[in-house]
Amino acid sequence: QSVLTQPPSVSGAPGQRVTISCTGSSSNIGAGYDVHWYQQLPGTAPKLLIYGNSNRPSGVPDRFSGSKSGTSASLAITGLQAEDEADYYCQSYDSSLSGWGYVFGTGTKVTVL
Amino acid sequence: EVQLVESGGGLVQPGGSLRLSCAASGFTFSSYWMHWVRQAPGKGLVWVSRINSDGSSTSYADSVKGRFTISRDNAKNTLYLQMNSLRAEDTAVYYCARGWDRYFDYWGQGTLVTVSS
Repeated sequence: QSVLTQPPSVSGAPGQRVTISCTGSSSNIGAGYDVHWYQQLPGTAPKLLIYGNSNRPSGVPDRFSGSKSGTSASLAITGLQAEDEADYYCQSYDSSLSGWGYVFGTGTKVTVL
Repeated sequence: EVQLVESGGGLVQPGGSLRLSCAASGFTFSSYWMHWVRQAPGKGLVWVSRINSDGSSTSYADSVKGRFTISRDNAKNTLYLQMNSLRAEDTAVYYCARGWDRYFDYWGQGTLVTVSS
């Protein structure tokens, strides 16, 4: 059911920079719909991390940043920390001939080495 | 502080029914669209359903259309999901989430629904 594709996993050492891609199509990201990102720590509910492609909610460290271009988006984590080990999901809106709805990415597990 | 607390999950046999509830506090519940999102064990997030602020408009994912019904009681600050004709593939943690501008800004802790004989 996921129409947004993410790499299954990325890893990095503490302090490094990692990026997570989110690839969509002309019916979602490419149609101009915003991309949002969620962080899901082990055993917990998802938490909003980035909204509107690049905006951080209050309390989210500026180590997290988002961008969007064409039919793709990216989440970057700079200065990777142990507490960043989690699953990350992108999300957008999809509108096509077969209908519309809210769509999530396949999810990416970030491992801190 | 925004709080969303789900309840009503449990073990149910295939073909059975279950009603989930989500109690909201810390914000003006009647001003927001609300959603249900589910996550099967070890899998990703899947949007299930949404309802507008006054309950007059609803929508569903194709996988649950005709079987699930979303509703809300703004006087009780509570969101519901009535699930009928449950299947094994409906087994998941169900989260309620507050909607804002096509994203979900607050999530509950989730309630586990297991469909098995």
